[in-house]
Amino acid sequence: QSALTQPRSVTGSPGQSVTISCTGTNNDVGAYNYVSWYQQYPGKVPQLMIYDVSGRPSGVPDRFSASKSGNTAYLTISGLQAEDEADYYCCSYTGGGLVFGEGTKVTVL
Amino acid sequence: EVQLVESGGGLVQPGGSLRLSCVASGFTFSIHSMDWVRQAPGKGLVWVSRIKSDGSGIYYADSVKGRFTISRDNAKNTLYLQMNSLRVEDTAVYYCTKDYQGLSVWGKGTTVTVSP
Repeated sequence: QSALTQPRSVTGSPGQSVTISCTGTNNDVGAYNYVSWYQQYPGKVPQLMIYDVSGRPSGVPDRFSASKSGNTAYLTISGLQAEDEADYYCCSYTGGGLVFGEGTKVTVL
Repeated sequence: EVQLVESGGGLVQPGGSLRLSCVASGFTFSIHSMDWVRQAPGKGLVWVSRIKSDGSGIYYADSVKGRFTISRDNAKNTLYLQMNSLRVEDTAVYYCTKDYQGLSVWGKGTTVTVSP
């Protein structure tokens, strides 16, 4: 149950697009279409942003999109806004439980 | 309003035990899988355990297997996590989550501190 691999940080300017990768294995990301993404502000509770690889819960801006290719999932934030500065975690089903990514800090310049 | 409220956290010595509870409201608790997720101070999210809606399927992270026990009482809309043989590295905020189309609902968390 090793954590999924995410870049430690990603930086972008307002209006730009940034993409966060999430690399797993054939036993998690590559095996199931159950990848989700969570946004967390410092000291706050995580919030679901994406479910089932690319599903977006109601209330999540359509600036957030996601996809998967092989053992790697991707979260893209288009039209970056200051409020998007936060930590982002991917999560994959593993055939019984779940495994999270290490987390990526998104910084908006 | 959909809500999860955790309780039971606290300060405990290594080797001790705690029982966390999570009361659900605003949704049909009995038809959803539930998970516990923890976050150590300054660290990332770590999945701990999952229990299916009727308790038929139970899963644990390797780090807690044999020490933690997840359970639920659907009549009381309550999820539990019995934590035994606690270690310093179990220190974290423990979140209760509703597992449907992702971890769609999170409680505010309860803090567990394991220290001599």
